[in-house]
Amino acid sequence: QVHLVQSGPELKKPGASLKVSCKASGYPFTKYGFIWVRQAPEQGLEWMGWISTYNGNTDYAQRFLGRVTMTTDTSTNTTHMELRNLRSDDTAVYYCARVSGLITADYYYGMGVWGQGTTVTVSS
Amino acid sequence: DIQMTQSPSSLSASVGDRVTITCRASQSIGSYVNWYQQKPGKAPRLLIYAASSLAGGVPSRFSVDGSGTDFTLTITSLQSEDFATYYCQQSYSTPLTFGGGTKVEIK
Repeated sequence: QVHLVQSGPELKKPGASLKVSCKASGYPFTKYGFIWVRQAPEQGLEWMGWISTYNGNTDYAQRFLGRVTMTTDTSTNTTHMELRNLRSDDTAVYYCARVSGLITADYYYGMGVWGQGTTVTVSS
Repeated sequence: DIQMTQSPSSLSASVGDRVTITCRASQSIGSYVNWYQQKPGKAPRLLIYAASSLAGGVPSRFSVDGSGTDFTLTITSLQSEDFATYYCQQSYSTPLTFGGGTKVEIK
């Protein structure tokens, strides 16, 4: 059975860095990439970017450029999302989701497998 | 960026009702739209991909009509487990963008 299991909740101070992990199981890890999506309290869904597990290619949302880094570790079937210089408006639930495509993302078929979400609170 | 505008933002309905949710893209996106259902405290669940294809395990009371810029999600006979928030999402280009969501509540 396909699962994505994310790391636990985080409480961070403004200016700190965050690293959320997403461990995959139940399928060949390098056959799919990952996206990260976040959801601020009572808000909608925001795409942060994509990473290929095949070659490490990334595609980040413009608003996160310079602050976000997505990595992948094929030895542990885990993908990570690091967000730096945190602000209070980074408080959100962060989700990883599996997406088709090896070298480039193929979003046509949607994201059918999601992690459970990681709650991140940024507060002084 | 492609803007996705959903309406209504919320609605109240009863079990057995027919419910429609619309999503409008700021430019033509062909059939590059997906729909998700989200319940409180849970991750989104893919309902429909490529405009009109049901994801695995999704009941046939869910359907989508439309292409280009205007899309309509219909739930033909609302069930208790359908009370949730629904999001459209365009997969035409990055940044991927989602509609603002439609919360379906019990009347």
